[in-house]
Order: sequence, then structure tokens, then C-alpha cells
Amino acid sequence: AQSVTQLGSHVSVSEGALVLLRCNYSSSVPPYLFWYVQYPNQGLQLLLKYTTGATLVKGINGFEAEFKKSETSFHLTKPSAHMSDAAEYFCAVSDRDSSYKLIFGSGTRLLVRP
Amino acid sequence: NAGVMQNPRHLVRRRGQEARLRCSPMKGHSHVYWYRQLPEEGLKFMVYLQKENIIDESGMPKERFSAEFPKEGPSILRIQQVVRGDSAAYFCASSPGRRAESTEAFFGQGTRLTVV
Repeated sequence: AQSVTQLGSHVSVSEGALVLLRCNYSSSVPPYLFWYVQYPNQGLQLLLKYTTGATLVKGINGFEAEFKKSETSFHLTKPSAHMSDAAEYFCAVSDRDSSYKLIFGSGTRLLVRP
Repeated sequence: NAGVMQNPRHLVRRRGQEARLRCSPMKGHSHVYWYRQLPEEGLKFMVYLQKENIIDESGMPKERFSAEFPKEGPSILRIQQVVRGDSAAYFCASSPGRRAESTEAFFGQGTRLTVV
């Protein structure tokens, strides 16, 4: 069964520093790939997604992610962290056969230090 | 244009009671998905419904849980005889059609169920 691994349940960075949140998936067939952000007591908001085409995907709020098939990874980055980026980030995948069903990682809480 | 509306936002039930969680999809959306988020975990798929039909309930516990999406009104997730292990955040998402690579599912703010 498909699974998603997010390395690091908590990541702490200084304001202005690079943000790197890691995500690996298990499928040998590239799935659809997503990053969601969840602010406290809020629902999930889609940051970006990869389906086909260019492997570097740009999303909202300055985030981007690169799909690397050889590494089965879809890491999320942002060049310069802002205090407002503090939130929980979830990587998710869906199989192309049942694309309606999202499989989520356990999440990474991003802390931004002033 | 209102988003996905879930109510109540917080629900407290005693063990053995019933919990009813409501989800009104975005306007024009006929596909609804329910997910459960246990503490310190990611969201887990529960069920996918279209109007009056259950399409995939592979993530639903076999007992005590049911879901419906009637022709009129919101989708309802019903949990009978709740136990402490049912305490979680329950999220609803909706999409205009069957999610494919080009269709985004929009999430509600969730209902946080606490069983005491």
C-alpha cells in the first residue's frame, strides 16, 4: 500500500533562513503529489501539487517543491522563512487509479524563530 | 462564495452517545470526502460520497460509523456509541467532480470531537 514519510515532526528555522521540509513516498509508480498547510484550528490549504510535466512546482506564499523520481521524493522549500509560515505542513499523494483518495504523511510542524 | 462549512466546530460527547457531524460542500460541488485526524497524526481517508451514493467507504470503521450525502442538505458523518478512541478532528472536503489531477479538493475547518 502507498505510504508517505515526512522526516522530522518538528523543524525550527530562523526568520529569513531557508525552509526545507522532506517528503518521500513509497510507490514505484509516480503518484500525484501535494503539499498542504494547516494553521491552528483551520482546515487544510493546498500549497502546490505535481501531476505531470515540469518537476519543479511553484506554489503559493513563495513555496516550491521538486519531484525526484529516482529518490521518490517531493521536498518542500522556501528560500526565506517568514514568521507567518509557522504552521503544520502535510505531504500527500494519490494514486493515479484512485486519484480522489489522498494519503497523508504525519505532518511537520514548522517553527520560525525571530 | 462560502467555502466548505462544517458544524459544529467542537463537539463533546459522553461515551455511548451518538455524534453527528455535518458538512456543507462548496456551491456547485457534488463530491464529498471525509477524513479523520488523530492526535499527532496525518489525515486518514474515511469515505467518498456523491449525492445519494457512497462511492468508496474503504476507510470507514466496520461498526458504529456511517455517512450519507442526501439529495438535499449537508453530508452527515454519524458515529454511534462513541468511545474515547473516536476523539479526533474530522475534516470534510469537497470537489466539483471526481478528483483527478486537475481538480482540487477544498477542505473545511473540521469538527473536533472529544469523547469524555
